[in-house]
Amino acid sequence: QKEVEQNSGPLSVPEGAIASLNCTYSDRGSQSFFWYRQYSGKSPELIMSIYSNGDKEDGRFTAQLNKASQYVSLLIRDSQPSDSATYLCAVGELTGYSTLTFGKGTMLLVSP
Amino acid sequence: DAGVTQSPTHLIKTRGQQVTLRCSPKSGHDTVSWYQQALGQGPQFIFQYYEEEERQRGNFPDRFSGHQFPNYSSELNVNALLLGDSALYLCASTKPGTGIVNTEAFFGQGTRLTVV
Repeated sequence: QKEVEQNSGPLSVPEGAIASLNCTYSDRGSQSFFWYRQYSGKSPELIMSIYSNGDKEDGRFTAQLNKASQYVSLLIRDSQPSDSATYLCAVGELTGYSTLTFGKGTMLLVSP
Repeated sequence: DAGVTQSPTHLIKTRGQQVTLRCSPKSGHDTVSWYQQALGQGPQFIFQYYEEEERQRGNFPDRFSGHQFPNYSSELNVNALLLGDSALYLCASTKPGTGIVNTEAFFGQGTRLTVV
């Protein structure tokens, strides 16, 4: 049984701060890792993908992967109130037809 | 470039009834997966369709069935609805073939199903 664990939160940060979201996974065979943002009542939106150990940066977002520790994280710099949402960590296999195993998500609240 | 589209957006059904949800994948995508997201939970994989056949299936009963059409669009059917089937049903599409970027899944806006 593949499992993906996230702290449910809420994680509260002030505007302009760095938000750090964490995720661990159980299947060592996992090869693809994703962060989705989900606003209340809406569908998940892909914001980051990462496949190799290390950091991957895209604008204010940085994804970090450590396969040895089975750990994925997402850093959001200069957090904005519009970043307030639930962040879902998803894990898959490295094939074109991979299915995703999701964590329950971490709620992020950015206060003005 | 049209994204993943789902219909209807909201649906209310009575326990015991049957429901059909529809999904059109993103342009250039040929694989469709369906997920169920209960309130406060992450999406759970139901099944995946490719080349009009079910490729993989999650831990869902046979009451959940699907179909994929030649134009890659897909349907999710649920029979004998239970109160516990109330959830947001999400369709996701991915690109054809293998390769790193082809694993990225894009979701439609979802169908909110309420069973009363």
